[in-house]
Amino acid sequence: GAVVSQHPSRVICKSGTSVKIECRSLDFQATTMFWYRQFPKQSLMLMATSNEGSKATYEQGVEKDKFLINHASLTLSTLTVTSAHPEDSSFYICSAPPLAGSGANVLTFGAGSRLTVL
Amino acid sequence: AQSVTQLGSHVSVSEGALVLLRCNYSSSVPPYLFWYVQYPNQGLQLLLKYTSAATLVKGINGFEAEFKKSETSFHLTKPSAHMSDAAEYFCAVSGPNNAGNMLTFGGGTRLMVKP
Repeated sequence: GAVVSQHPSRVICKSGTSVKIECRSLDFQATTMFWYRQFPKQSLMLMATSNEGSKATYEQGVEKDKFLINHASLTLSTLTVTSAHPEDSSFYICSAPPLAGSGANVLTFGAGSRLTVL
Repeated sequence: AQSVTQLGSHVSVSEGALVLLRCNYSSSVPPYLFWYVQYPNQGLQLLLKYTSAATLVKGINGFEAEFKKSETSFHLTKPSAHMSDAAEYFCAVSGPNNAGNMLTFGGGTRLMVKP
């Protein structure tokens, strides 16, 4: 089946630094990638949708300059948390839409990246 | 607009007991419904999905869910809980014509299994 590889799984950084999270679709092409954020003990909230070859679409309330999303190729989407602060500490998960013929609306999720900003 | 409500942020059952996790949805279009499980520090795994076929859906690990349109519900059940079922469970909804196949998630229910 389709696999989405997300890296790094854990990252700890100092306040003010930037952190890049990568999501790769393995053995399939993903023209779209969804980025979710999960606060402790809360549900996942859609942050943005990355689109290969065009600008990402951000959900209301998500800072575009804080969370830079780039869909560099048909197999790679990246989320960069710029000038990270402790309040950015969270669990970030990417997902790719279903492959043709795989069944309706079954997203493939990455394993997630836990960001801790000191 | 679509929304999902999961009643009970925490559910505790004894090993071997019935598991019932509640999910109610709101959707202006015929919904597609999903249950995902999340183990600590891991991503989401699909348990099962409803996509307008059979209303009783069987998933992995012995879980099943029944779509009840009259009650706008999609509760998740398992006859006998195992210790390994302890995890966070999320109900999610999308519409069949939802551009980009985006999901709206419920708040999640943490299942605890007592020995």
